[in-house]
Amino acid sequence: RKEVEQDPGPFNVPEGATVAFNCTYSNSASQSFFWYRQDCRKEPKLLMSVYSSGNEDGRFTAQLNRASQYISLLIRDSKLSDSATYLCVVNIRTPLVFGKGTRLSVIA
Amino acid sequence: NAGVTQTPKFRILKIGQSMTLQCAQDMNHNYMYWYRQDPGMGLKLIYYSVGAGITDKGEVPNGYNVSRSTTEDFPLRLELAAPSQTSVYFCASSPRLAGGAYNEQFFGPGTRLTVL
Repeated sequence: RKEVEQDPGPFNVPEGATVAFNCTYSNSASQSFFWYRQDCRKEPKLLMSVYSSGNEDGRFTAQLNRASQYISLLIRDSKLSDSATYLCVVNIRTPLVFGKGTRLSVIA
Repeated sequence: NAGVTQTPKFRILKIGQSMTLQCAQDMNHNYMYWYRQDPGMGLKLIYYSVGAGITDKGEVPNGYNVSRSTTEDFPLRLELAAPSQTSVYFCASSPRLAGGAYNEQFFGPGTRLTVL
């Protein structure tokens, strides 16, 4: 299994749709989990941390499944401005390991 | 706070030339990192530092050197530029957390390097 694995996409969805991304990780002892967003030709920026109990920030919901070793990101009511690449980040080893990202295109 | 700053924004090098990519942060973070990102690919860690005077290799350190003489600065040196080093270089920093957990990394805007 790769250390951090994501479906590269692209996911092309209409405005208003709900879309979900999964990310699997290899180290069962990992403690820190994040979702980052990267716009084209820009630096990655933190979207949200992922907590054991799951957490929500507006239209975004992140979940952690330790038994199956994956994290997920759900985006509800997609906006055009959500178009970006979403990076899964896990502390597999020192320091954090970034997934290759899943590209999302929201279409009008 | 300026956050993480990187200079230059763009650079074109000839094969065999050397250069230093500058990175500075004003958040008093212990941890600093250098990544490279090739077109359409993920981030690859080149070097990182857990504090002044301490550096360690990442996934792709060959062809690069770093130093960390102060908390604020973490320059990346390319000694003999090769076309394979054409990439976007991101510097990042993060605060240290207790208990082995890791906190958010703050990224600089990147340096776009082309080696011809």
